[in-house]
Amino acid sequence: AQSVAQPEDQVNVAEGNPLTVKCTYSVSGNPYLFWYVQYPNRGLQFLLKYITGDNLVKGSYGFEAEFNKSQTSFHLKKPSALVSDSALYFCAVRDMGSNYQLIWGAGTKLIIKP
Amino acid sequence: DVKVTQSSRYLVKRTGEKVFLECVQDMDHENMFWYRQDPGLGLRLIYFSYDVKMKEKGDIPEGYSVSREKKERFSLILESASTNQTSMYLCASTTPGQGSNQPQHFGDGTRLSIL
Repeated sequence: AQSVAQPEDQVNVAEGNPLTVKCTYSVSGNPYLFWYVQYPNRGLQFLLKYITGDNLVKGSYGFEAEFNKSQTSFHLKKPSALVSDSALYFCAVRDMGSNYQLIWGAGTKLIIKP
Repeated sequence: DVKVTQSSRYLVKRTGEKVFLECVQDMDHENMFWYRQDPGLGLRLIYFSYDVKMKEKGDIPEGYSVSREKKERFSLILESASTNQTSMYLCASTTPGQGSNQPQHFGDGTRLSIL
């Protein structure tokens, strides 16, 4: 069965330190992978996606993600965290059985402490 | 920028009521989606639509129906609201794109409480 796992419910990072939010997936075929961010009382905003090509993908707000096919991972990273990065982060992968549907991880709450 | 507008940010209804949640997008997107979001469960797809008057069930369609009479508007209907439908409801839209690699654009959500 196709699935997405975000193994950490919460990640705590000091401001200025690098951050990583983990995502692993299980799909058949070549995955399309996405990261979204949700600020309090708001909808989700698209951050970045991996479709094909370079394994390091750059996105909005200084975030990047590394696709690792052998480890079936797509971890979100940022070199220097800001307090304003505190939010809920979701990883998603396209459902290969459908043209439109995404399979979503449960979300990881990122807390950046001053 | 794509704008997806949900008619209400907060809504309080009573058990047994028929509830309508409205969503409008301004980018002529073919695909629209309704999700519910509950803590620890991520997003679960209720219904989606890939064209006017077309709809497909998602993972949790029970107790819900949808309507898409115009391309820009996608409505979610709770036929007889129950307390277990208290949740955050999110609407999204997207174009099919090439191999469906286009991101979904979300509204700000409707936090629905059923008393």
